[in-house]
Amino acid sequence: QKEVEQNSGPLSVPEGAIASLNCTYSDRGSQSFFWYRQYSGKSPELIMSIYSNGDKEDGRFTAQLNKASQYVSLLIRDSQPSDSATYLCAVNSGYSTLTFGKGTMLLVSP
Amino acid sequence: DAGVIQSPRHEVTEMGQEVTLRCKPISGHNSLFWYRQTMMRGLELLIYFNNNVPIDDSGMPEDRFSAKMPNASFSTLKIQPSEPRDSAVYFCASSFTITTRMNTEAFFGQGTRLTVV
Repeated sequence: QKEVEQNSGPLSVPEGAIASLNCTYSDRGSQSFFWYRQYSGKSPELIMSIYSNGDKEDGRFTAQLNKASQYVSLLIRDSQPSDSATYLCAVNSGYSTLTFGKGTMLLVSP
Repeated sequence: DAGVIQSPRHEVTEMGQEVTLRCKPISGHNSLFWYRQTMMRGLELLIYFNNNVPIDDSGMPEDRFSAKMPNASFSTLKIQPSEPRDSAVYFCASSFTITTRMNTEAFFGQGTRLTVV
């Protein structure tokens, strides 16, 4: 059973702080890793993808991948109330399908 | 491009009735996924098509569920007969897959909220 684990939260941070979201996965053969943001009642929206070890930055978002530790993280700098959402970690689990974690709820307070 | 288009957005039906959900993937994408999302189980993959061919249907709950992709621009997910435990949000997603081992970004439709009473 290929699994993706996330802390359900909620993770509460004040506006302007750094939010750190973490994800672990069980399949060592996974090659593609994604972070999706899902607002309540909406569909998942892709915000970051990462394919190799290290950091990948896009604006206020940084994705970090450590394949040896089977660990993916997402950092959100200068968090805004509009960042309040559930963040889903997704991992390529073979045949190009994606396995999703259950998500971490992030709450950014003004 | 209008993105992945799903219909209907909401469906309320009585137990035992047939339900058909529809999806139009992004033009040019060759992979299509049907997911189901509930509070308890999160996002679960039901079935994956590549080039209109079902590749992995291990997530389809039981024989009451069936999915088809007759062409590159249309897919259906059918539940017959429907049961209250099928109530969930059903998402369709599409992507362009370069190889069978490396997935590129998948984009989701707005979902269909199904309620079976």
